[in-house]
Amino acid sequence: NAGVTQTPKFRILKIGQSMTLQCAQDMNHNYMYWYRQDPGMGLKLIYYSVGAGITDKGEVPNGYNVSRSTTEDFPLRLELAAPSQTSVYFCASSYSITLSLAGVYNTGELFFGEGSRLTVL
Amino acid sequence: SQKIEQNSEALNIQEGKTATLTCNYTNYSPAYLQWYRQDPGRGPVFLLLIRENEKEKRKERLKVTFDTTLKQSLFHITASQPADSATYLCALNNAGNMLTFGGGTRLMVKP
Repeated sequence: NAGVTQTPKFRILKIGQSMTLQCAQDMNHNYMYWYRQDPGMGLKLIYYSVGAGITDKGEVPNGYNVSRSTTEDFPLRLELAAPSQTSVYFCASSYSITLSLAGVYNTGELFFGEGSRLTVL
Repeated sequence: SQKIEQNSEALNIQEGKTATLTCNYTNYSPAYLQWYRQDPGRGPVFLLLIRENEKEKRKERLKVTFDTTLKQSLFHITASQPADSATYLCALNNAGNMLTFGGGTRLMVKP
């Protein structure tokens, strides 16, 4: 089982260049997420998707775009890279966490990839 | 504003002691809270979930408490080992049922 696979692991971009970070999961999870993590900071949600064809903005979406054409894949596109986008990017997936009056049905735990370290110079 | 605070300073303890990490939050009403472990250069790994109606949850040497009045969760590792050295992240659900993460606390367990 591969879990969540991210590529590339490392990339250096020049200001103004564009690139796509790839993410694939083989667990048939309906939810997928992109986070960025800066040194000493928590994970910030960029975009998320609750299923194929559905995406929504997270906390820090500016400068990024996503698509979800299949359940397995959730690429993150950076247009016109800026130094502020230097960060470590994590893709994650999960089953939907179902809430009810009786409580939570499952843990909704996120499964993370190993990260993509991006430097914009 | 909404905040999730974890001690940004590293916690250094001796092997065999109990490590206690704190997660405080403001202006959230989470239905559940999760704890993750992150090793350097790796993605976070899920450890435990605790629901708002649960006071305490245990898993092997791990114990998590959740006090919705104090708006605080405590994460304990008993009989700590050098292999427990890592950064520990707390996360809670926001209004959109997405997870929001704290900044994490680095734990160093010395032999």
